[in-house]
Amino acid sequence: EAQVTQNPRYLITVTGKKLTVTCSQNMNHEYMSWYRQDPGLGLRQIYYSMNVEVTDKGDVPEGYKVSRKEKRNFPLILESPSPNQTSLYFCASSDTFGEKLFFGSGTQLSVL
Amino acid sequence: AQSVTQLDSHVSVSEGTPVLLRCNYSSSYSPSLFWYVQHPNKGLQLLLKYTSAATLVKGINGFEAEFKKSETSFHLTKPSAHMSDAAEYFCVVSDRGYSTLTFGKGTMLLVSP
Repeated sequence: EAQVTQNPRYLITVTGKKLTVTCSQNMNHEYMSWYRQDPGLGLRQIYYSMNVEVTDKGDVPEGYKVSRKEKRNFPLILESPSPNQTSLYFCASSDTFGEKLFFGSGTQLSVL
Repeated sequence: AQSVTQLDSHVSVSEGTPVLLRCNYSSSYSPSLFWYVQHPNKGLQLLLKYTSAATLVKGINGFEAEFKKSETSFHLTKPSAHMSDAAEYFCVVSDRGYSTLTFGKGTMLLVSP
């Protein structure tokens, strides 16, 4: 089944403790991206990747890192999480940029 | 810069009545426009996509949207609402000039019996 898999589904952590949210797609998509969703703000793009080893900042990249060493994986790294990064995070992929996005189920992150 | 404005944060309709969710956009280039739907505790799902082939776009579940360049609008409609349509809807602009996607803030559709 074609899908985007995010883990974990829920995560509670403390300020400053590094964490990684994994994202994997099995559709051989070139484009992958990360979003955060906050009430009243919709989805905002954090980082995106046009292909392997090609990443770029979205609208809200501060405090986040990404890597794209393999085509299928696009992890989101928070080196030193802060409470303002408490949010619902979505990973998405598409065949190429501008095509239909396939979304993961989301990761609800709480930073205490 | 590109932007998307969804004109209503909430829309309430009765089952069987028409649905209109409004979206205005701005873009410096020829944009692609999308509508996505998010049901509670789910990821987003594509409803329909405009890419300049036709101004009236038909999507899944009876939804359609009309691209009006002169009004910079891409409103989503459905002739008859169903209870299962209750969800949050997002208008999205994709602009190759910027290589980014911009989401509207969402419109929550409430459907009453």
